[in-house]
Amino acid sequence: GAVVSQHPSWVICKSGTSVKIECRSLDFQATTMFWYRQFPKQSLMLMATSNEGSKATYEQGVEKDKFLINHASLTLSTLTVTSAHPEDSSFYICSARGLGKNIQYFGAGTRLSVL
Amino acid sequence: EDQVTQSPEALRLQEGESSSLNCSYTVSGLRGLFWYRQDPGKGPEFLFTLYSAGEEKEKERLKATLTKKESFLHITAPKPEDSATYLCAVQEYSGGGADGLTFGKGTHLIIQP
Repeated sequence: GAVVSQHPSWVICKSGTSVKIECRSLDFQATTMFWYRQFPKQSLMLMATSNEGSKATYEQGVEKDKFLINHASLTLSTLTVTSAHPEDSSFYICSARGLGKNIQYFGAGTRLSVL
Repeated sequence: EDQVTQSPEALRLQEGESSSLNCSYTVSGLRGLFWYRQDPGKGPEFLFTLYSAGEEKEKERLKATLTKKESFLHITAPKPEDSATYLCAVQEYSGGGADGLTFGKGTHLIIQP
């Protein structure tokens, strides 16, 4: 149980284009989903928290207009990187948490390369 | 200043050689401390949550302990399949409703047969 699927696992895009990453909870309802980013040799850094049906809460320094998060259902959250630039190249990983639970289950991550 | 510091960064052990991984943290109000295991190319896999000093949890060859300043992940008689990166993360009490995790950089553990 508690499986989180993330898609795609790897994406390459041109500078200036937008990329959408999907995060799905497969066997539980995720009332809260989290998006993290990891640069090489660095720790996972929280970008934003989203509760189903509400606007996402972004961490300090994360541009909400650049990283659009939608959590429209209890099993799906999406992260759209708009007008991507090479400095956005990173490993993006989502996690999901069920109602009343305090354990985050993680997806396998998405490697984004912006050329 | 890092809130979560893990040591050592890397550890190589012989099969059966027990050891401990350390996670020290500095937060104003600890809600929970989490241990995850991460294999290459995969997302972190949940291991333990600890909530109060003195608490201990065990799972197979792993045991996690918590004090007011640090947590240890003890590995007893490890096997090669225990090789992975072990991540420690803390969760603080937050009035804003955002309660994500703050991660350390991890300890890369290699168990040699």
